[in-house]
Parts: sequence; structure tokens; C-alpha cells
Amino acid sequence: IAGITQAPTSQILAAGRRMTLRCTQDMRHNAMYWYRQDLGLGLRLIHYSNTAGTTGKGEVPDGYSVSRANTDDFPLTLASAVPSQTSVYFCASSAGGPDNEQFFGPGTRLTVL
Amino acid sequence: KQEVTQIPAALSVPEGENLVLNCSFTDSAIYNLQWFRQDPGKGLTSLLLIQSSQREQTSGRLNASLDKSSGRSTLYIAASQPGDSATYLCAVGTYWTGGSYIPTFGRGTSLIVHP
Repeated sequence: IAGITQAPTSQILAAGRRMTLRCTQDMRHNAMYWYRQDLGLGLRLIHYSNTAGTTGKGEVPDGYSVSRANTDDFPLTLASAVPSQTSVYFCASSAGGPDNEQFFGPGTRLTVL
Repeated sequence: KQEVTQIPAALSVPEGENLVLNCSFTDSAIYNLQWFRQDPGKGLTSLLLIQSSQREQTSGRLNASLDKSSGRSTLYIAASQPGDSATYLCAVGTYWTGGSYIPTFGRGTSLIVHP
């Protein structure tokens, strides 16, 4: 089934630990995105990638890094997790361009203690 | 910076009512607008995409309109059903520097349709 998968589904993490959230899409989409969703703040863009090999900073990039080694995968890394990074993280993809929908993965619920 | 506002933040209606959800944005230089549905604890599901050159899109009981000049979009839900209960988000696609196409999301309208 075509779509976006994210792993893990949920995670409890001690502050200071390193964590990588995985995202894989099988739609051959050029553009991929990472968002965090927090109550009262909505969806905020962390990082994005227009195509393999390129990445860009979103609205709230501090404390996060991404890479885009190939078209399908777009991992998000928290180098040293802090409690304020407790959130639900969504990965999304799009074929790119103005006439293409954005599709979302099921999300990762991360708790940093 | 694009800002997107959705009104109302929450809505509770009896089954069968026709509904209008509103989305407004500050920068009219958009390339598209997309409406999503989000069920509790789930990801976002795309409902409708309106390109900047279009005025409306329809899918079943849903109709979305776009007025770029006034910075507004509406999502019309006809004959609402309990299964329509969810949070509805709009995302406004704006050009960023460097040629990137980036959606900016509103905070959503939480809809409850009671039997």
C-alpha cells in the first residue's frame, strides 16, 4: 500500500539522549517535511527537503537535524533531547509544485522526561 | 510571514446541519490551499486541494472555495453526520525564498456532530 510510514509509533526518552525518528515514503515524492504538533500551537514546520540531497530549515529547526540521502527516506534527529521537544511529530511528502497534495504519515508521539 | 487563522476554533452541531468552516490568510500570494481532516490520535487526511487559479473544489458532501483577493477560504459540509466529527485544518501554500513551496497551517476547527 502506497504511503508514508513513521517509526517508532511512540517513544519515551530521557533528556539528553539522542533519538532518530524515521520516515519513509514509497510514492517517489520529491518534497518531504517534518512537523511537530502541540496543543494550542498547531502544526509547525521543523525542516523540509525539496529533493534528495537538499534540506531547508522551517519555523522551529533548533535542536533538530535532518538528512535526505535518497528520495524515500527523511530521518529527523534530536541530538540531545529536552523536555520541550515532547510532542507529536508528523512526516509529510508531496510530489512538489503548486498542484500537488501533501500526504501525511501516522505520526510519532515522543515524550522527553 | 504567512499567518493562517481558522474560525471557529470549535463547533458542535446536531446531525443534518449544513456547516461552514472558515480559513483566512494574510498573504494573498499563495500557490494553493489544502483542507485536511484529523481524527484524534491520527495523522492528517487530505480532503480537497484548490490551486491558486481555481475558485472551488467539490468532493461528495464537501465544497471548498477560495477567494485569494480577500484572503479567505471556506469549507462547506452538507448534511453533516456524526462520522464528520474531527478537527479540520487548512494549509496555505506559500512560496519561500529559494523556490520552495511550503504550506502554513491554521490551528484547526474541532467539529462535533451529535446524533
